[in-house]
Amino acid sequence: GAVVSQHPSRVICKSGTSVKIECRSLDFQATTMFWYRQFPKQSLMLMATSNEGSKATYEQGVEKDKFLINHASLTLSTLTVTSAHPEDSSFYICSAWGLEYTEAFFGQGTRLTVV
Amino acid sequence: AQKVTQAQTEISVVEKEDVTLDCVYETRDTTYYLFWYKQPPSGELVFLIRRNSFDEQNEISGRYSWNFQKSTSSFNFTITASQVVDSAVYFCALSGATGANSKLTFGKGITLSVRP
Repeated sequence: GAVVSQHPSRVICKSGTSVKIECRSLDFQATTMFWYRQFPKQSLMLMATSNEGSKATYEQGVEKDKFLINHASLTLSTLTVTSAHPEDSSFYICSAWGLEYTEAFFGQGTRLTVV
Repeated sequence: AQKVTQAQTEISVVEKEDVTLDCVYETRDTTYYLFWYKQPPSGELVFLIRRNSFDEQNEISGRYSWNFQKSTSSFNFTITASQVVDSAVYFCALSGATGANSKLTFGKGITLSVRP
């Protein structure tokens, strides 16, 4: 399968600051990337879908001004959590899909803790 | 809308027991994919299997086997002779065909504990 790298794996930030999470497809071109969020002991919920070069499509209830998604190239998408608050503490995980594949591949995830 | 139901929330077994994790799904798509993922305490998602809607053959991979029944919209996962290393959260998931439809709808997950 293809490789998707997510960075950082863990981050602790102060309330009110912004945090950027990167998701890279290492050996394929990802035309579509997905961002999921997982609260402790809960399932993964899709936050948004992004296509290279266009604006992300956010799921209902996800604030687009708070969770900025940029998919500027075919190998990189970023999620920026702006003005983070403790309730944003969660596990964020991306997945990437390329034309030659029938499934999307997951990054390793980022555990965000806002203090 | 797509939906995945994992009615079992926690299962505890003793090592070497067989265990079946249930998954029921709902979709209006005629082409779709079903997945199982394992999530150990470290958090990463470990891909176990992908099955497309046109392939109802059961699959066996070592101690793992999967039973796909379109008639009951179920995709159950059995671990034979469970081991302590199988302890994890297991997610069943569903996606559409390609592209933006590759987004996954996850079930709530089943926490499996295998005791020595």
